[in-house]
Amino acid sequence: SQQGEEDPQALSIQEGENATMNCSYKTSINNLQWYRQNSGRGLVHLILIRSNEREKHSGRLRVTLDTSKKSSSLLITASRAADTASYFCATFYNQAGTALIFGKGTTLSVSS
Amino acid sequence: EPEVTQTPSHQVTQMGQEVILRCVPISNHLYFYWYRQILGQKVEFLVSFYNNEISEKSEIFDDQFSVERPDGSNFTLKIRSTKLEDSAMYFCASSEARSGTEAFFGQGTRLTVV
Repeated sequence: SQQGEEDPQALSIQEGENATMNCSYKTSINNLQWYRQNSGRGLVHLILIRSNEREKHSGRLRVTLDTSKKSSSLLITASRAADTASYFCATFYNQAGTALIFGKGTTLSVSS
Repeated sequence: EPEVTQTPSHQVTQMGQEVILRCVPISNHLYFYWYRQILGQKVEFLVSFYNNEISEKSEIFDDQFSVERPDGSNFTLKIRSTKLEDSAMYFCASSEARSGTEAFFGQGTRLTVV
């Protein structure tokens, strides 16, 4: 499988600071996605980056992808207390399939 | 905004009992999925479903599990004889197209096996 693994496992920052989370995966990908999960809730899609893209922005989110290193990073700028959640990168269970698989995630805690 | 809905939100069942978890995917989506998350652990893929058949499944999805789309709107996960270790949050998800699109997740059903 192409499971991604995030690091750090946990990150604590103050409001206004930037948060950077990293993801590494094992095999070739067509795209990589980032999701967010508030405690005990369903996952919410944040952003998708395709294999031919190096960087993508969405609001306060910036995602980079380095296919040569098989890694991606998610940057949240000017973090808010409401950003407190777990963040997961997702790749495909099978390269030809549609099912996503998730790493263990980074738990972000933003204090005010 | 369209959403994936799951019922019930919490189910308690006796070990050995059958349980059915229900999901209504987004109406124009073609791909449906079940995932589970044991407390404190990562989200694990169970099965994907397309065109009325299983398209992918993980090693977790053994003969104890089955999925069905009994009508045009519902998508169900059945666990035949529940075990204590089946206690987890079960998430249903759906996506519109084969690849390159996001998956939409429901809020989950918390299954507690006692």
